[in-house]
Amino acid sequence: QKEVEQDPGPLSVPEGAIVSLNCTYSNSAFQYFMWYRQYSRKGPELLMYTYSSGNKEDGRFTAQVDKSSKYISLFIRDSQPSDSATYLCAMSGGNDMRFGAGTRLTVKP
Amino acid sequence: DADVTQTPRNRITKTGKRIMLECSQTKGHDRMYWYRQDPGLGLRLIYYSFDVKDINKGEISDGYSVSRQAQAKFSLSLESAIPNQTALYFCATSDSGTSGLNEQFFGPGTRLTVL
Repeated sequence: QKEVEQDPGPLSVPEGAIVSLNCTYSNSAFQYFMWYRQYSRKGPELLMYTYSSGNKEDGRFTAQVDKSSKYISLFIRDSQPSDSATYLCAMSGGNDMRFGAGTRLTVKP
Repeated sequence: DADVTQTPRNRITKTGKRIMLECSQTKGHDRMYWYRQDPGLGLRLIYYSFDVKDINKGEISDGYSVSRQAQAKFSLSLESAIPNQTALYFCATSDSGTSGLNEQFFGPGTRLTVL
């Protein structure tokens, strides 16, 4: 079993839809939970992060962490074509960091 | 100017050839990393360096070597390239001062094809 599991998709939604992206993990030592966004032919960039459990909102994006279930989610409200990218979850604890496989999202106009 | 640069951006080579990928950064970060990205497998860590005198193997270091020539420079070598090393390679940096978050800043990537 991989330490971090993420469905690679691809996921295609119409503009304006609510998007839900998810990851599961197995290492209880992870404390920081991150989402990176990667546009085509670019390197990943940190989109947002959460420390420990709970929710965090940033504009149209909401990150949720449930440490009891070892499950994290990213919700995108009112999705836009500019949100089309690959979204990678990542987790860290101490000096250990792991990335998910990434989910490719396409938002169609 | 980009904070993390990688050269070359694209490379096609033949089996058995020695290849070097270079990474430079102007962010002043002490930590540097090399990853490879494959479809369905995501980012996998090859090597990482927490300072100039510190080199550590990642989860998939076999067939690769690295050199940290200076705080700003970290190169990855494939001593004898093989076709299953065909992948997208990323260099990344982070600042040890950010503690457990360890936000990483990625270069634009090098697409390597081994024939």
